[in-house]
Amino acid sequence: AQSVSQHNHHVILSEAASLELGCNYSYGGTVNLFWYVQYPGQHLQLLLKYFSGDPLVKGIKGFEAEFIKSKFSFNLRKPSVQWSDTAEYFCAVKGDNYGQNFVFGPGTRLSVLP
Amino acid sequence: EAGVAQSPRYKIIEKRQSVAFWCNPISGHATLYWYQQILGQGPKLLIQFQNNGVVDDSQLPKDRFSAERLKGVDSTLKIQPAKLEDSAVYLCASSLDTSYEQYFGPGTRLTVT
Repeated sequence: AQSVSQHNHHVILSEAASLELGCNYSYGGTVNLFWYVQYPGQHLQLLLKYFSGDPLVKGIKGFEAEFIKSKFSFNLRKPSVQWSDTAEYFCAVKGDNYGQNFVFGPGTRLSVLP
Repeated sequence: EAGVAQSPRYKIIEKRQSVAFWCNPISGHATLYWYQQILGQGPKLLIQFQNNGVVDDSQLPKDRFSAERLKGVDSTLKIQPAKLEDSAVYLCASSLDTSYEQYFGPGTRLTVT
């Protein structure tokens, strides 16, 4: 069965600091990978996704993620965070085979101090 | 385009009572998902519909939870009877098809006392 782990439960950064949130998954086959974000009081929304091709994926609001197949990882990065990036971030995996469905990680809460 | 609609937004019930949640997906989206998100955890898929057929309900506690998607559009999720551990946010999401981006609704926060 697929599973997703996220390294940090809560990350606190100052504005302009660089961000890296870890995500590892367990699944032996081809995967589709996602990062979702939930800003305070808002819906879950997609930040970026990887299906195939270039393993470095760029998303909205300056976020990017790198798929490293050998490490089963899909870490999220941003060079300089802003106070408005304060949110909960969820990594999700979907196996490409029929019957595999979305599995979400437990989430990482990011607090950016002004 | 209108987003995924859910109602009610909040519900408080006593254990052993029943409750129902409603979801209206984005128009044209064939795939509809119900997730349970317990505080401090990521969303857990309960059931996935493709049009009005069930694709995956392997994590749905079928002794107390049921869901339907009539005519391949709106969907309802029911819990009967509720237990304390059902306290969670119930999220509905929809997508064009099974491998496409999911769009989430605002969720229904259920508190079972």
